Amino acid sequence: AQSVSQHNHHVILSEAASLELGCNYSYGGTVNLFWYVQYPGQHLQLLLKYFSGDPLVKGIKGFEAEFIKSKFSFNLRKPSVQWSDTAEYFCAVNRGGGNKLTFGTGTQLKVEL
Amino acid sequence: GAVVSQHPSWVICKSGTSVKIECRSLDFQATTMFWYRQFPKQSLMLMATSNEGSKATYEQGVEKDKFLINHASLTLSTLTVTSAHPEDSSFYICSALQTSGLSYNEQFFGPGTRLTVL
Repeated sequence: AQSVSQHNHHVILSEAASLELGCNYSYGGTVNLFWYVQYPGQHLQLLLKYFSGDPLVKGIKGFEAEFIKSKFSFNLRKPSVQWSDTAEYFCAVNRGGGNKLTFGTGTQLKVEL
Repeated sequence: GAVVSQHPSWVICKSGTSVKIECRSLDFQATTMFWYRQFPKQSLMLMATSNEGSKATYEQGVEKDKFLINHASLTLSTLTVTSAHPEDSSFYICSALQTSGLSYNEQFFGPGTRLTVL
């Protein structure tokens, strides 16, 4: 079965530190990849997505992610985090052409002033 | 982005009763909606795909008689937890699929419903 792994469950950073959150998936076929963010008390929002083309994807709020097919990975990065980035981040995958999403377990990010 | 609402945002009920949760797409029509369940500290698990005008498709291990889904219109799907028990306590999240002419149909998520069964 398709699975998605997020290795970091809790991350604490100081403002201006760089961020990288890991995401690996197990499905070997064509996939579409996503990162969602859930701010405290709010609903899930799409940060960025990858379908094809340039494996380096830029999303909202300065986030980017790199698809490395050989490593089955889609890590999320941000060069300099802000206190307002405190949230839970979910990686998600669906098979190319489908609509169902399989989510990772999420990473709780806390950014301290 | 498109807006999806859920009602109620939280509900407490007694064991054995049924609870209905509504999911609405407010500014677009959605022939497909999804229902997820999220346990504390865990990921969102897809329960079922709700299709307007047809039966829902349930994921393996999800009891269709326990979790009744009705997609009554292009903007409303309901999830009814029948004969709820404490183990059904969870956070239920819906999403609505916005179809477009692009290569990808994006899911927009509701804010979730916290169900507590006493």
